[in-house]
Amino acid sequence: DTAVSQTPKYLVTQMGNDKSIKCEQNLGHDTMYWYKQDSKKFLKIMFSYNNKELIINETVPNRFSPKSPDKAHLNLHINSLELGDSAVYFCASSLGQPWKTQYFGPGTRLLVL
Amino acid sequence: DQQVKQNSPSLSVQEGRISILNCDYTNSMFDYFLWYKKYPAEGPTFLISISSIKDKNEDGRFTVFLNKSAKHLSLHIVPSQPGDSAVYFCAASLITGANSKLTFGKGITLSVRP
Repeated sequence: DTAVSQTPKYLVTQMGNDKSIKCEQNLGHDTMYWYKQDSKKFLKIMFSYNNKELIINETVPNRFSPKSPDKAHLNLHINSLELGDSAVYFCASSLGQPWKTQYFGPGTRLLVL
Repeated sequence: DQQVKQNSPSLSVQEGRISILNCDYTNSMFDYFLWYKKYPAEGPTFLISISSIKDKNEDGRFTVFLNKSAKHLSLHIVPSQPGDSAVYFCAASLITGANSKLTFGKGITLSVRP
């Protein structure tokens, strides 16, 4: 009965490849997020979706494309992976506004070689 | 531009003593503040929050203090327990606004010694 789940947990891939990370929440929340935690440990918002609509899109390269097929899912597709994309990616969800309590997934550790 | 700063990367305290984790912010428009706790290989979990209309919020062993004039908040854990050993992230947000979002600090690693 995991609240926010992500797959895969670990992802090791070569530069130039395309990969996807999936996120699902069973909390009935209407807002979902993708965060990136880089080597400096900052957690930075990348995208936010509310009821399947994009509401936040930070200055993220357009190689990153989120897709929300329904309110319970927010997937992240990354094209042409680069070394600098290596990080931990966290999915999160909340009910309503982003300042309300967000529930995070366990993270996906991406390593680009 | 780091709008939320946690300048001390780590803190070590003895079990039973008080842990004080500090956080500073630069954006005076922030009006809601949260603390998240993170264990290794897990996602952050919500701990406690405070609105800018308050200066203190308490929940069991955890108390958050907000000093708006100094743009400073702190998390007090009393008494500290070994299970509190984790990374603590401070986050700030705007309640209003179409693009409200959480801005996180880089975290403080707390070690509680038995």
